[in-house]
Amino acid sequence: QVQLVQSGSELKKPGASVKVSCKSSGYSFTSYTLNWVRQAPGQGLEWMGWINTNTGNPTYAQGFTGRFVFSLDTSVSTAYLQISSLKADDTAVYYCARGGPFDYWGQGTLVTVSS
Amino acid sequence: DIVMTQSPDSLAVSLGERATINCKSSQSVLYSSDNNNYLAWYQQKPGQPPKLLIYWASTRESGVPDRFSGSGSGTDFTLTISSLQAEDVAVYYCQQYYSTRTFGQGTKVEIK
Repeated sequence: QVQLVQSGSELKKPGASVKVSCKSSGYSFTSYTLNWVRQAPGQGLEWMGWINTNTGNPTYAQGFTGRFVFSLDTSVSTAYLQISSLKADDTAVYYCARGGPFDYWGQGTLVTVSS
Repeated sequence: DIVMTQSPDSLAVSLGERATINCKSSQSVLYSSDNNNYLAWYQQKPGQPPKLLIYWASTRESGVPDRFSGSGSGTDFTLTISSLQAEDVAVYYCQQYYSTRTFGQGTKVEIK
């Protein structure tokens, strides 16, 4: 069965970096784009962008350029989200989701940024 | 970017009654070459990732109860829960996938 399994919660200090992983199984990894979605505490869903799993080419939504990097390791069917220079308002649950529409989602990774 | 606006922000409905959520896009999400509306609906319960309910504006995802239905075309869309059940308490989001991706702000559905 299709599964997207994300890495565990992270607690980081302001200015640090974090790398979240999303491991896919149960389907051909390169057949679907992989999206990243942010959900701040008590807030709605915000699409961050996607990565083309065939070419590795990322597309970033407005507001998610510069400090945010999407990458892949196709050998292990895993996508990564790296956020640098973390700020308190990066505190959120980050989801990966397959395709468009998003038919399968990871369980979410809570990133907490606090001194 | 296409902006998605949902209404209302929240609604309270009695068990067994109808719940209706509206979603309006700032530009049409109907793709003329295939006549499909690139519009999806998701349900999110507390502590869980969102779940795809409807895509192509009106196609139910496998396993979704038939009390959930989607309608509309172009810029105006509706998600209807025909007979609200306790397990339907959640936040519902519309999303366009016509041009990149955008979510509506969400509609919280509660029991009256």
